[in-house]
Amino acid sequence: GAVVSQHPSRVICKSGTSVKIECRSLDFQATTMFWYRQFPKQSLMLMATSNEGSKATYEQGVEKDKFLINHASLTLSTLTVTSAHPEDSSFYICSVMGGPGAIAGGTQYFGPGTRLTVL
Amino acid sequence: AQSVSQHNHHVILSEAASLELGCNYSYGGTVNLFWYVQYPGQHLQLLLKYFSGDPLVKGIKGFEAEFIKSKFSFNLRKPSVQWSDTAEYFCAVNAGHTDKLIFGTGTRLQVFP
Repeated sequence: GAVVSQHPSRVICKSGTSVKIECRSLDFQATTMFWYRQFPKQSLMLMATSNEGSKATYEQGVEKDKFLINHASLTLSTLTVTSAHPEDSSFYICSVMGGPGAIAGGTQYFGPGTRLTVL
Repeated sequence: AQSVSQHNHHVILSEAASLELGCNYSYGGTVNLFWYVQYPGQHLQLLLKYFSGDPLVKGIKGFEAEFIKSKFSFNLRKPSVQWSDTAEYFCAVNAGHTDKLIFGTGTRLQVFP
């Protein structure tokens, strides 16, 4: 399957600061990337769909001004949590899916996740 | 709205026991179905997937799943589990017209030697 990396793996920040999380597709061009949030011992909740070169599509209830997504290239998407608060503490996971002909096809491959702790 | 149900929240087995994890979804149209596994401290990995064709799908590590359209189910099976299968298992579905994945709540499997 596709290889996906995320950076950083862990981040601790103070309340009110912004944090940027990177998601990279290492071995193929990902036209679509997804951002999920996973609470402890719970399932993954889709936050937004990120398409290269266009604005992200956010799920209902997800504040687009708080969770800024930029998909500037076919191998990189970033999620910026702006003015973070303790309730934003969570595990953020990205996934990639290639276009027709790409290795991933219609399957999503996941990154290792980023643990965000807001103090 | 689409939803995915995994009724077994926590399963405890001894090594060599057989495993079946239930997954039911609610959507009447064409679906793609997935099982992912998350080992402790690791990221989600694809176990197997069904897009079309033979409804009995074989995946990695001896896992298989059967798509039963009439029951809206995609249960995961393994004839003989190992201690290394201890992990969280997630069923996921996307409707044929969308790329979004809807995940079930997950099943925690513990296998004891």
